[in-house]
Amino acid sequence: AQSVTQLGSHVSVSEGALVLLRCNYSSSVPPYLFWYVQYPNQGLQLLLKYTTGATLVKGINGFEAEFKKSETSFHLTKPSAHMSDAAEYFCAVGTQGGSEKLVFGKGTKLTVNP
Amino acid sequence: ETGVTQTPRHLVMGMTNKKSLKCEQHLGHNAMYWYKQSAKKPLELMFVYNFKEQTENNSVPSRFSPECPNSSHLFLHLHTLQPEDSALYLCASSQASSARNQETQYFGPGTRLLVL
Repeated sequence: AQSVTQLGSHVSVSEGALVLLRCNYSSSVPPYLFWYVQYPNQGLQLLLKYTTGATLVKGINGFEAEFKKSETSFHLTKPSAHMSDAAEYFCAVGTQGGSEKLVFGKGTKLTVNP
Repeated sequence: ETGVTQTPRHLVMGMTNKKSLKCEQHLGHNAMYWYKQSAKKPLELMFVYNFKEQTENNSVPSRFSPECPNSSHLFLHLHTLQPEDSALYLCASSQASSARNQETQYFGPGTRLLVL
């Protein structure tokens, strides 16, 4: 069975600083990995996803994530935080066999300080 | 705009009430999902419908009853809920395929449910 661990339920950065949100996964088969963002009172919006191919994935709003099989990680980064990045971020792993199921992490709430 | 709408956005109900949540997707997808999002817990998958057929029931209590009349609409019928059922209920849709490609799920804004 797949699982996802997001290290740190809260992360606080200053505006303009590097954003690093950590995600580690467990999967018995090659995973498909996703990052979603949830703004207050809204649903989840896809930031980026990794399926196959290039391990560095670029998403919307300047975010990117790198798939590292040896470390079973898929950390999300952004070089320079903006106030509008304040939200909750969820990492998710796709299950094997073509199932539509996604397993989500508990989420990391990002605060951006002026 | 995600193309997935949910109504109502907020709902307060007593434990003896019957209510329904509605989800509609305008993306031409063939799979739809209900998730429960509670504070401090991971997003929990409740039900999956693929081409209107239920393919997943993740051990959800029978007081939650899904209905998928067509590939664009999904309902969650609620009956005799408990206070611990208070949560944000999210609907999602995707273009499921028989290949092993994990298709992106698109989410609605959710219904914030409070059970008194």
